This record gives sequence, C-alpha cells and structure tokens, in this order.
Amino acid sequence: GENVEQHPSTLSVQEGDSAVIKCTYSDSASNYFPWYKQELGKRPQLIIDIRSNVGEKKDQRIAVTLNKTAKHFSLHITETQPEDSAVYFCAASSPGGSNYKLTFGKGTLLTVNP
Amino acid sequence: DAGVTQSPTHLIKTRGQQVTLRCSPKSGHDTVSWYQQALGQGPQFIFQYYEEEERQRGNFPDRFSGHQFPNYSSELNVNALLLGDSALYLCASSQQGREYFGAGTRLSVL
Repeated sequence: GENVEQHPSTLSVQEGDSAVIKCTYSDSASNYFPWYKQELGKRPQLIIDIRSNVGEKKDQRIAVTLNKTAKHFSLHITETQPEDSAVYFCAASSPGGSNYKLTFGKGTLLTVNP
Repeated sequence: DAGVTQSPTHLIKTRGQQVTLRCSPKSGHDTVSWYQQALGQGPQFIFQYYEEEERQRGNFPDRFSGHQFPNYSSELNVNALLLGDSALYLCASSQQGREYFGAGTRLSVL
C-alpha cells in the first residue's frame, strides 16, 4: 500500500520567515495530495490540495508543489504569522473507485515565534 | 450549513466493552470515511462508506465495523475494546475527493 514520509517532524521559524515542509510517497498511482492543518484539540482543516495533473498551486501565502517523477510534494508558507503555528499533515490518495482513501504523513509541528 | 458533526465528543470505556460512534456528514456529501488518530500521529484510514456499503478498508481488524444510513450518516462500532484502541476517532465526509473532518470522538479505554 501507499506510504507517506514527512519531514521535518518539528520546525521553528521567526515571524515573517518562510516555512517549507516536504513529503514523499511510494505509490506512483497516487494522484491527489491534500495538506491539513490541525491546531491543538481541533479537527484537521484542509488548507490546500493539488492533483497530479498540476505542478504547483498557490492560495495567498500558501503554495504546494508536486514532482511526480521524484514522488515528492512540498508545502510552502510565506510571511509566517503566529497563528500559523499548528501541526501540518500531508496526505496522498490511493485511487479506489470514484472517491479516495487518504494515507497521511506523521505530521510537522510548526512553531512561529513572534 | 453545518459541517461534519460527531458524537459523543468524549467517551470512557473499559477493556472488553463495545462502543458506537456517530457521524453526520456535511450537507451534500455522500461518502463517509473513518480514521483513527493516535496521540502524535497522523490519522490512519479505517474504512469508507458510500451508498450504504463499505467501499474500502484499511488495516484494521474485524472488531471495527461500520454502517451508513440512507441519509448518509454513519456509525463506527468497535467490539472487544483493547487499551490500544484509545485514540481520537475522526469522521470525514467527501464529495469528489476532498475530505472534510469532524471534530472527532476522544475514546479512552481503561
């Protein structure tokens, strides 16, 4: 089955700096890659996603890039703010019917220091 | 428009007992997936329901079972609870792939 590795496990940045989180996946058939943000005690929130027919996607301060050949994808957060502090999870989708089964990485704890 | 709702929010059980968790999907969503999230880990896929049938299943034993009702709501049942079943159980609903999570049920097995 699919295996998703996520790095780093913890990341500390100064407010205003950029943060980059990287993930690799094993199943070349995976074609959907979402990113979730989970604050302490709260639900995972979908913040951005990308499909395998696209190499990059941006939404304000957040961007995701995908390299299908290398089987890795990354989350980029620019101009970080203290409210960006949370655990971020990447996931890859194994196709199965018309809906998807997500395999998650182990998460990255991002701390943005004021 | 209500998002994904789960009940109860917290539950304490003892080893060997059975538990039922409930999920109401986001309006317009017809697919429900269940995940187990251990402390400090990413969610792990348990199974997915669509049109009242189990469509896909992860690496979980038969003690984990589920059901989907005609209104798309879903239940997760766990029999013969073990200490290792203590976790946050998340429900996610989706339509055309994007999954949105509920706040989860925190299950503690003593």
